[in-house]
Amino acid sequence: KQEVTQIPAALSVPEGENLVLNCSFTDSAIYNLQWFRQDPGKGLTSLLLIQSSQREQTSGRLNASLDKSSGRSTLYIAASQPGDSATYLCAVPGGYNKLIFGAGTRLAVHP
Amino acid sequence: GAVVSQHPSWVICKSGTSVKIECRSLDFQATTMFWYRQFPKQSLMLMATSNEGSKATYEQGVEKDKFLINHASLTLSTLTVTSAHPEDSSFYICSARARDFRDTGELFFGEGSRLTVL
Repeated sequence: KQEVTQIPAALSVPEGENLVLNCSFTDSAIYNLQWFRQDPGKGLTSLLLIQSSQREQTSGRLNASLDKSSGRSTLYIAASQPGDSATYLCAVPGGYNKLIFGAGTRLAVHP
Repeated sequence: GAVVSQHPSWVICKSGTSVKIECRSLDFQATTMFWYRQFPKQSLMLMATSNEGSKATYEQGVEKDKFLINHASLTLSTLTVTSAHPEDSSFYICSARARDFRDTGELFFGEGSRLTVL
């Protein structure tokens, strides 16, 4: 059974720091991994989708890497800003179009 | 990207009443939509898979008579919480996959619907 774990559960940093959020999964037989952002009381915004054949994806200040063999993915946020404050979720397929989510990392970036 | 819309974004109802939540894919057709539930400070848990023109597939432990799902068209799925009770209060989120040129395996999510049962 696929399980997804995210570390740390919460993170509070001053503006400008570079951050690394971690995601691990137990079953490495995945065909992609997705990172999402969730603001309080809101739905999910897709940030990055990494296919199993890829090692990383970049979008602006975000960079996500994927190491299938070790069952790990990291989301790197460069030069963090207060607007980055949110919960970040990673998810992997758990069946046909189903996603298994981690519990998320709650990020607070203070000025 | 593809847009998924949910309505209402929040609803308050009395215990024993039924509540319907709509999920629409605005600029693409979705043969399959997914309904998730999220408790405060917890992750999303898949409730059911909604298939256009056929019965929904429910996850283990989810009462199909309690959470009625209808997927009558390629752009609309509805979740009806029947005889709602306070323990049904939660955040419900739907998602869909774009079955067109944007089909990269990526799932798109609605804004969510917060249900509060008094």
